Amino acid sequence: DGGITQSPKYLFRKEGQNVTLSCEQNLNHDAMYWYRQDPGQGLRLIYYSQIVNDFQKGDIAEGYSVSREKKESFPLTVTSAQKNPTAFYLCASRLGLYNEQFFGPGTRLTVL
Amino acid sequence: GQQVMQIPQYQHVQEGEDFTTYCNSSTTLSNIQWYKQRPGGHPVFLIQLVKSGEVKKQKRLTFQFGEAKKNSSLHITATQTTDVGTYFCADAGGTSYGKLTFGQGTILTVHP
Repeated sequence: DGGITQSPKYLFRKEGQNVTLSCEQNLNHDAMYWYRQDPGQGLRLIYYSQIVNDFQKGDIAEGYSVSREKKESFPLTVTSAQKNPTAFYLCASRLGLYNEQFFGPGTRLTVL
Repeated sequence: GQQVMQIPQYQHVQEGEDFTTYCNSSTTLSNIQWYKQRPGGHPVFLIQLVKSGEVKKQKRLTFQFGEAKKNSSLHITATQTTDVGTYFCADAGGTSYGKLTFGQGTILTVHP
């Protein structure tokens, strides 16, 4: 089945630790995106990538980093510099500029 | 930057009542996409509107794009408990990287 996978579904980390969230897609989509969602709020864009080895900061990139070494993969690292990392993280991909985005199931990160 | 405002933030209805959520922008929207997120789930694409004044229907859901392309609405006729979730609008264009700018979402609760 084609789709987007994110792992793990739930993640717990201690304050001060970096953590990497996985996002893999087999839809052959060029563009991939990372969003953060806080309770009762909309989606805020962290980083996005239109092509392998290229990515841009979104609206809330501080404290996050990404890589795009393969078309299928777009991992997000939440660094210790992110002041309030506890949130629901959603990865998405898109075929073209004006196509819809397909979302993964999300990773719920809790920093203790 | 581009901002998309969505109202209301919350809506509680009795099953069988109608529901409408509105999406507004101070600037012209490119294309509008609508997504639904079930509680605990991820956003799922519903529809895209492109043309000024466009109206599209999906069973009990009616989507409209304003004549000036500065607003859009989603109307659900005779709500059912399966309609529960958060409905997001998103401006789907405006940059060469295909960013989506999401509204804050409307959380719909349907009481049986």
